[in-house]
Amino acid sequence: DAKTTQPTSMDCAEGRAANLPCNHSTISGNEYVYWYRQIHSQGPQYIIHGLKNNETNEMASLIITEDRKSSTLILPHATLRDTAVYYCIVRVRGFGNEKLTFGTGTRLTIIP
Amino acid sequence: NAGVTQTPKFRILKIGQSMTLQCTQDMNHNYMYWYRQDPGMGLKLIYYSVGAGITDKGEVPNGYNVSRSTTEDFPLRLELAAPSQTSVYFCASRWDIGSYEQYFGPGTRLTVT
Repeated sequence: DAKTTQPTSMDCAEGRAANLPCNHSTISGNEYVYWYRQIHSQGPQYIIHGLKNNETNEMASLIITEDRKSSTLILPHATLRDTAVYYCIVRVRGFGNEKLTFGTGTRLTIIP
Repeated sequence: NAGVTQTPKFRILKIGQSMTLQCTQDMNHNYMYWYRQDPGMGLKLIYYSVGAGITDKGEVPNGYNVSRSTTEDFPLRLELAAPSQTSVYFCASRWDIGSYEQYFGPGTRLTVT
């Protein structure tokens, strides 16, 4: 699985959009980009995934660059409950490849 | 649905003791996973199962054993506990090969002294 690089920490004001970047310059054509988050002491929570098109769901938007070497997770109106560690993960989807490699992620703090 | 449940929530073991961490899911998911998370670190996969009777090793399987006799349950066994196994253990499940989302349990915090 391709390696990912994320900033260690970020702050965002409550009510503003939080933009979390992820670099995955060695991504291959059949690897998906997944985002999970982990609120303090809880199990990780799936947010969104994508292959090459931009994606949006009720939680967030995922913007993937045309060359697929980087992506940005956008939380459109951050709330205090969005304070968490956010993990960007790249992996091949398919039978026999079950490993989700969680790095150290980005610690996002939402400031009142 | 209760989702993924784990017991116990906390446990302290002495070196050399053994224990079983329980994991149950009520979503009829075929895939189940065990991860460990050391302080300040990301999660590492210990073992996983793609269905009842089928298990396979992840990144860090040494010192652990698993079994999967039913779809619902995926217990993790620690034999001869060591301080290096002090960690938070998360169980997760996923419906099938076509699904993207892993559902995680609340975790078991284990200390070995």
